[in-house]
Amino acid sequence: DTEVTQTPKHLVMGMTNKKSLKCEQHMGHRAMYWYKQKAKKPPELMFVYSYEKLSINESVPSRFSPECPNSSLLNLHLHALQPEDSALYLCASSPWASPNTGELFFGEGSRLTVL
Amino acid sequence: AQKVTQAQTEISVVEKEDVTLDCVYETRDTTYYLFWYKQPPSGELVFLIRRNSFDEQNEISGRYSWNFQKSTSSFNFTITASQVVDSAVYFCALSGTGANSKLTFGKGITLSVRP
Repeated sequence: DTEVTQTPKHLVMGMTNKKSLKCEQHMGHRAMYWYKQKAKKPPELMFVYSYEKLSINESVPSRFSPECPNSSLLNLHLHALQPEDSALYLCASSPWASPNTGELFFGEGSRLTVL
Repeated sequence: AQKVTQAQTEISVVEKEDVTLDCVYETRDTTYYLFWYKQPPSGELVFLIRRNSFDEQNEISGRYSWNFQKSTSSFNFTITASQVVDSAVYFCALSGTGANSKLTFGKGITLSVRP
């Protein structure tokens, strides 16, 4: 079982809806990540939080809004999404702030469909 | 800029066959890290191995082995006596330093192991 828990596993939303994806880890990791993965493509980095502060934003549209309430939780708030935003959204954590110092621990993802 | 090339897109083998997944990388960093991740149908990426650029020793873990050759910029992954549970998408990834520290994934290889 993965130690990074994501909810919901599946989400269908309209373009005018507001929803949130949630991610939780209890491994004491100091960095948390959001990735977006389209079908048959590799994951694409969206955001990185290091010690609860946003350290990387990969020029993601403002309709995606990340939030890190504490060291164990990471949210991704969704508003006014487009159908092309439909994808698997993966959360990950790592013990260190830099991804090259250790492996990432991924959740199973939230599969988002925007109608 | 960093780049990871996984030239194979889909591989199909019969159970108990050996299979090698190829990975070629490009980077100008002298210090870098190479990774392999497995993504089963359930969605989460599972970390398999990390190698730093100063350690060219090959590694074996059970049925898995990795061959790192800096001379050819390759980091190939071999599964010996494949099993149906090995069916997944396998990603090779590279992480450098500084501005290159985020993971750069290859496009992934879909491995199907038939009984």
